[in-house]
Amino acid sequence: GENVEQHPSTLSVQEGDSAVIKCTYSDSASNYFPWYKQELGKRPQLIIDIRSNVGEKKDQRIAVTLNKTAKHFSLHITETQPEDSAVYFCAAERGTSYGKLTFGQGTILTVHP
Amino acid sequence: GAVVSQHPSWVICKSGTSVKIECRSLDFQATTMFWYRQFPKQSLMLMATSNEGSKATYEQGVEKDKFLINHASLTLSTLTVTSAHPEDSSFYICSARDPRAGDEQYFGPGTRLTVT
Repeated sequence: GENVEQHPSTLSVQEGDSAVIKCTYSDSASNYFPWYKQELGKRPQLIIDIRSNVGEKKDQRIAVTLNKTAKHFSLHITETQPEDSAVYFCAAERGTSYGKLTFGQGTILTVHP
Repeated sequence: GAVVSQHPSWVICKSGTSVKIECRSLDFQATTMFWYRQFPKQSLMLMATSNEGSKATYEQGVEKDKFLINHASLTLSTLTVTSAHPEDSSFYICSARDPRAGDEQYFGPGTRLTVT
């Protein structure tokens, strides 16, 4: 089955710095890769996603890059703000299973003012 | 975006009893819904896929007789935790994909289950 590895598990940055979180996946048939932000006790919120026919996608301060050959994808947050502090999860949709997501282990991002 | 609700938001039950959690798609029809479990400080793990009008499919290691899933309509899936034990205490989250909106999945707010 699909395996998604996420690093680092914790990330601490100063306000205004950039943050990068990386994920690798095992199922070469995976085609959809969402990133979620989750605050304590709340539901995951989609912050950006990418499909395998695209190498990069950007939305204001957030960008995702995908290397399908190497089976890894990364989240980039620029000009970080304290309100970006949360747990971030990457996920990969299993290639042969509609809608089934395998999540990475999560990254606790702390942005210090 | 589409809205998914869950009820209850939290529940406390005694060991050995059963608890039912509802997941509703409020403004779209979902032939498929997904149930995840999240233990404290851990990731989301897919438990099962709920299929409207047919049997749910369970992930490896998830007991189908313990976690009963019913998807009786296009807007409602229920998860019943039977004979709950303290180790079943967790955050249960459902999700569904709006067929009109591409790949994005919409998550419910989650149900915090505590078994005493």
